[in-house]
Amino acid sequence: QVQLQESGPGLVKPSETLSLTCAVSGDSISGVYWWTWVRQAPGKGLEWIGQVYRDGSTNYNPSLNSRATISLDKSKNHFSLQLSSVTAADTAIYYCTTEKYGDGQSYFDYWGQGTLVTVSS
Amino acid sequence: QSVLTQPPSVSAAPGQKVTISCSGSNSNIGNNYVSWYQQLPVTTPKLLIYENNQRPSGIPDRFSGSKSGTSATLDITGLQTGDEADYYCGTWDSSLSAVVFGGGTKLTVL
Repeated sequence: QVQLQESGPGLVKPSETLSLTCAVSGDSISGVYWWTWVRQAPGKGLEWIGQVYRDGSTNYNPSLNSRATISLDKSKNHFSLQLSSVTAADTAIYYCTTEKYGDGQSYFDYWGQGTLVTVSS
Repeated sequence: QSVLTQPPSVSAAPGQKVTISCSGSNSNIGNNYVSWYQQLPVTTPKLLIYENNQRPSGIPDRFSGSKSGTSATLDITGLQTGDEADYYCGTWDSSLSAVVFGGGTKLTVL
């Protein structure tokens, strides 16, 4: 059973960089999963941000215009999200998830509880 | 505007069956597997269906998924008040090289 826990500032100023970390327990970050961030703006639907694999391979949502960076820290068994140049439109609940990806499949079976990040001055 | 199209809401009486549709294109549903998620009020999304029609352990067989061409459906039978939630479909989009979701469907059990 994989457990995920997001952490990071709940308030970020416009134009600054949002930084979140997801602590993983119950599995190694060097295992078979892709490690993914998904967000949900208040009252809105789900939006995939991007994914990272154990070898450092990444994919990102093109709608974010290269503002997102996802990285691994194998020594701490966690992964991180940085989102630069944030605006109020980036206010959302941010979830870290495990993703089974490849051969035409992509699905998210374990989710963190989510952390609300508000962008405001 | 979501890449995948879902009805904003559906409703049915307890014990009845409801179908939630998810429409896409050849670059996403047409050539990739579909998954479905349930999000109860103020909770984390939960995986209901993966690979079009597979249920994770612990998901009752009242929930079933199917896919035909560029559309997918989620069927829920024997509706219970506890099924009231938002439901999302998702898949990989090969043109965007990104996961795409539907806008979500709010299920009301009358």
